[in-house]
Amino acid sequence: DAGITQSPRHKVTETGTPVTLRCHQTENHRYMYWYRQDPGHGLRLIHYSYGVKDTDKGEVSDGYSVSRSKTEDFLLTLESATSSQTSVYFCAANRGTNNEQFFGPGTRLTVL
Amino acid sequence: SQQGEEDPQALSIQEGENATMNCSYKTSINNLQWYRQNSGRGLVHLILIRSNEREKHSGRLRVTLDTSKKSSSLLITASRAADTASYFCATDPVVGNEKLTFGTGTRLTIIP
Repeated sequence: DAGITQSPRHKVTETGTPVTLRCHQTENHRYMYWYRQDPGHGLRLIHYSYGVKDTDKGEVSDGYSVSRSKTEDFLLTLESATSSQTSVYFCAANRGTNNEQFFGPGTRLTVL
Repeated sequence: SQQGEEDPQALSIQEGENATMNCSYKTSINNLQWYRQNSGRGLVHLILIRSNEREKHSGRLRVTLDTSKKSSSLLITASRAADTASYFCATDPVVGNEKLTFGTGTRLTIIP
């Protein structure tokens, strides 16, 4: 997985609770991304970062926030989890535009 | 909305046969990328073709790009059981090119 790890790998939580997913990379990539993958939708971009403390919204950002205080870490937070946020979440990173993205192994999140 | 749309959604072929998947997209792109996803894993980059290229090869993979038709195809020759996976195209748009847009994928099953 090209030096990208995600934690936790699996999580079950209840509606209304806060959840934070962590992405860690060891390759000094500038750009980092959070996607969610749902059947019939492919991968959809939630948020991305183009540098430390520089983030922007993606296609499906409502209900999610992110933070990047260090190059190697990109956190995704669900402030108050809902059942519609049950999904598999992937982190990705790359050196810049026109480059391939490297993906982490994914986090399966279930919100009951 | 998804920029890339793969066709077919699912494909089953005998081992040794060739597999062809197609991708259509809507806006001008810098490049188009193909990724593979094995069950329960993250995506892995396969090949990138730039907008000024028409064809590219990598091992048993052949990718074509027709920017006038806004379409691409991925050909896997002499398929193997290990090629069983989902395949996604991703477009790097000219506008907003820090972000890739992924299609919904083609599920390829190789029958031994």
